[in-house]
Amino acid sequence: ELKVEQNPLFLSMQEGKNYTIYCNYSTTSDRLYWYRQDPGKSLESLFVLLSNGAVKQEGRLMASLDTKARLSTLHITAAVHDLSATYFCAPGDSNYQLIWGAGTKLIIKP
Amino acid sequence: KAGVTQTPRYLIKTRGQQVTLSCSPISGHRSVSWYQQTPGQGLQFLFEYFSETQRNKGNFPGRFSGRQFSNSRSEMNVSTLELGDSALYLCASSLERGAEAFFGQGTRLTVV
Repeated sequence: ELKVEQNPLFLSMQEGKNYTIYCNYSTTSDRLYWYRQDPGKSLESLFVLLSNGAVKQEGRLMASLDTKARLSTLHITAAVHDLSATYFCAPGDSNYQLIWGAGTKLIIKP
Repeated sequence: KAGVTQTPRYLIKTRGQQVTLSCSPISGHRSVSWYQQTPGQGLQFLFEYFSETQRNKGNFPGRFSGRQFSNSRSEMNVSTLELGDSALYLCASSLERGAEAFFGQGTRLTVV
């Protein structure tokens, strides 16, 4: 059974700083997704990672996937307040189901 | 291209009642999944439908059921509502099973 662990679960940081959110999963997965959720809103797809070594970047966010280590990272560069949100990772299991992490609540202070 | 549409957006029901939520997926998407999200339990998978068949089911009681129609639209039903069923119910559609999921705005259900 695929299990997912995100850390940290809560992160408060200053604007302009860099930080990384980690997503570890327990068994083999051939795809992993990152999503963003603003308070009271739905989930928005950020990145789709489909192969070992995949790296995707969008603005100040960069996601990577290491399937051998069963680890994905979401790196935030020079954080700005607009990036405050909850971020979820979701690897896919062998039964086509996305398994969701608990989410990382990110607060970026001016 | 229209996104995933969920109706209604907000709902208030009394304990013991039943409720039906609707989800229209993105055109061409054949997989529809439902999730329950609460502050305490986070995002929990309810079920997945593909080609009008339930393919996966989460760990929820039988009061929670769903179906998918031939046009891929889906409904979920909760019978004998309990206070603990108060949550944001999210529907997501994918082109194929296991592919990138696109979420609707959700239905916020309050049980009083």
